[in-house]
Amino acid sequence: RKEVEQDPGPFNVPEGATVAFNCTYSNSASQSFFWYRQDCRKEPKLLMSVYSSGNEDGRFTAQLNRASQYISLLIRDSKLSDSATYLCVVNTGGYQKVTFGTGTKLQVIP
Amino acid sequence: DVKVTQSSRYLVKRTGEKVFLECVQDMDHENMFWYRQDPGLGLRLIYFSYDVKMKEKGDIPEGYSVSREKKERFSLILESASTNQTSMYLCASSFQGAGIDEKLFFGSGTQLSVL
Repeated sequence: RKEVEQDPGPFNVPEGATVAFNCTYSNSASQSFFWYRQDCRKEPKLLMSVYSSGNEDGRFTAQLNRASQYISLLIRDSKLSDSATYLCVVNTGGYQKVTFGTGTKLQVIP
Repeated sequence: DVKVTQSSRYLVKRTGEKVFLECVQDMDHENMFWYRQDPGLGLRLIYFSYDVKMKEKGDIPEGYSVSREKKERFSLILESASTNQTSMYLCASSFQGAGIDEKLFFGSGTQLSVL
């Protein structure tokens, strides 16, 4: 089983739709969690950290479920500019213990 | 704004060549990292450094070495390039202050093709 698993997609959604991605992780000792966004042929950029209490940044909401070992990202009112690959990142402790998922591709359609 | 600069966007080399990938950051970050990104495999850590002249192996260090002589510069070296090292190479840096939760800043990547 992979340490961090994501549905590769693509998720094709119309503008204005709400879309959610999940990411499961296998190591119950994982300490910190992040979502990064990667545009086509560009570098990853931090979108948001994921806290146990959940956190929201505008149209984006991230949740952590430690019992079921997954994190989620919800995007409301999708924009064309949200089209990208979303990478789930899990840290089990130490700089060498950062594991990236393979990403979920989102395509927002006009 | 933090800037992480990688010396080449695209690079084509022949099997057996020695290859240098350079990375420079301008934010006085202590930590620097080299990843490679391959389709279906995600980003995998090759090496990282938390201080000048310090280096630690990541998940896939075989066939690679690194050099950090100055705080702002972290070089990845392929001693004898092979075709299975064809990949996108991403350099990243982070501030050490908040520990492992610190945000990673990535360079724009070097697409290396080894023929």
